[in-house]
Amino acid sequence: DARVTQTPRHKVTEMGQEVTMRCQPILGHNTVFWYRQTMMQGLELLAYFRNRAPLDDSGMPKDRFSAEMPDATLATLKIQPSEPRDSAVYFCASGLVLGTGPYNEQFFGPGTRLTVL
Amino acid sequence: GNSVTQMEGPVTLSEEAFLTINCTYTATGYPSLFWYVQYPGEGLQLLLKATKADDKGSNKGFEATYRKETTSFHLEKGSVQVSDSAVYFCALMGGRRALTFGSGTRLQVQP
Repeated sequence: DARVTQTPRHKVTEMGQEVTMRCQPILGHNTVFWYRQTMMQGLELLAYFRNRAPLDDSGMPKDRFSAEMPDATLATLKIQPSEPRDSAVYFCASGLVLGTGPYNEQFFGPGTRLTVL
Repeated sequence: GNSVTQMEGPVTLSEEAFLTINCTYTATGYPSLFWYVQYPGEGLQLLLKATKADDKGSNKGFEATYRKETTSFHLEKGSVQVSDSAVYFCALMGGRRALTFGSGTRLQVQP
C-alpha cells in the first residue's frame, strides 16, 4: 500500500532551535508539495518540486525556511531559527504530473505537528 | 490570483440528513476542482474531483457538479452518517498544478 510518509509526526521545540521535517514521497511520483495548516490561515502552499527541482517557493518565508530534495526518495523542510508563529501542521504531498496532461491525484502524508514554545 | 471560498462551519446534522457544503471559486482559465476530506489526526484524502465544466464528481455517496456559469462546486450527500464527521476542503488546481484550498468546513453528524 503506497503512501507518503512524514517524520517526525510531532515536534515540540523552543524558539530559536532548528527544525527539520522529512517526507518520503510515493515511489515513482515526480512532484512533491509542502503545505502548512493553521487555524488562522488554513492550508497554504509553501513550496513544490518537480523532478527534484524547486518550481515554486513563493509561499515560504525565505529568511528562515528552506526546502530541498536531496534525492528522489526524500524531501526536507527546514526552519532555522524557529519561532512560535511557525507552530502548525506541515503536510507533504506527492503526485505524478506529466507535462500538461490530465491531473493526477496528490497524495498527502499524515503531517508533522510542530509546536514552537 | 486563484481563490476558493467555502461556507463557514461547523455544520451539525443528524444522521440521515441531507448535506450541502457550498463552494465557489475565482480562477483564470479552466481549473480542475476537488473536494478533500480530513479525518481527525490524519492527512487529507481526495474525495472527488471534476476536471471540466458540467462534470459531476462522485464518491461514497458524495457528489459535486462543476458549474462554470456560477463558478461553484457544491458538495452534497443525500444521507449522512456519523462516520462522515470530518473537515471538508474545496480546492482548485490551475496551471501551476498546485492546489489552492478553501478554509475548510467541519461537519459533525450526530446519531
